[in-house]
Amino acid sequence: DTAVSQTPKYLVTQMGNDKSIKCEQNLGHDTMYWYKQDSKKFLKIMFSYNNKELIINETVPNRFSPKSPDKAHLNLHINSLELGDSAVYFCASSRLAGDNEQFFGPGTRLTVL
Amino acid sequence: GDSVTQMEGPVTLSEEAFLTINCTYTATGYPSLFWYVQYPGEGLQLLLKATKADDKGSNKGFEATYRKETTSFHLEKGSVQVSDSAVYFCALNSGGYQKVTFGTGTKLQVIP
Repeated sequence: DTAVSQTPKYLVTQMGNDKSIKCEQNLGHDTMYWYKQDSKKFLKIMFSYNNKELIINETVPNRFSPKSPDKAHLNLHINSLELGDSAVYFCASSRLAGDNEQFFGPGTRLTVL
Repeated sequence: GDSVTQMEGPVTLSEEAFLTINCTYTATGYPSLFWYVQYPGEGLQLLLKATKADDKGSNKGFEATYRKETTSFHLEKGSVQVSDSAVYFCALNSGGYQKVTFGTGTKLQVIP
């Protein structure tokens, strides 16, 4: 009965590769997010989707492309991985855009070698 | 734009000590304010929230009061436990389609 799930939990890959991280929420929420957390725990929003439509797109390299096939899923595809992409990526969801509470997934630790 | 400033950590306390983690904010309008907690190896989870001035949010012995006059939302707990060791994030949301703005996080370590 996991509310927000992400796969994989750990991802180790070489520079230049392309990888995807999947996220699913079973809360019936309309809005989903991707965050990047660096080694100092600083949390930065990357994207937000509301009912499959992109509503927040922060300054993120074009190598990052979110895809929302339906409102329960928000996947993140990363092309041409770089060392600086190493971080923990969190998916989150909320009932409405700008709603009071966001529910976070357990995170995906990406390590680029 | 919106911003949140929290005290830098790490904060190290002995069990049963009093905890304060300071948080101040800058925002347009009347934002909602939150504290999230991140335990080691996990995602963030909402600890407490306040949606208007003078509201007090509370949960698990933690409290924070929305102070509009000082634009602050300091987190307090009267007696911390080892299990409270985590990273605490102050955050705000100005409503609508606005993103939630997080502070930089404060790591709390409680020693027996």
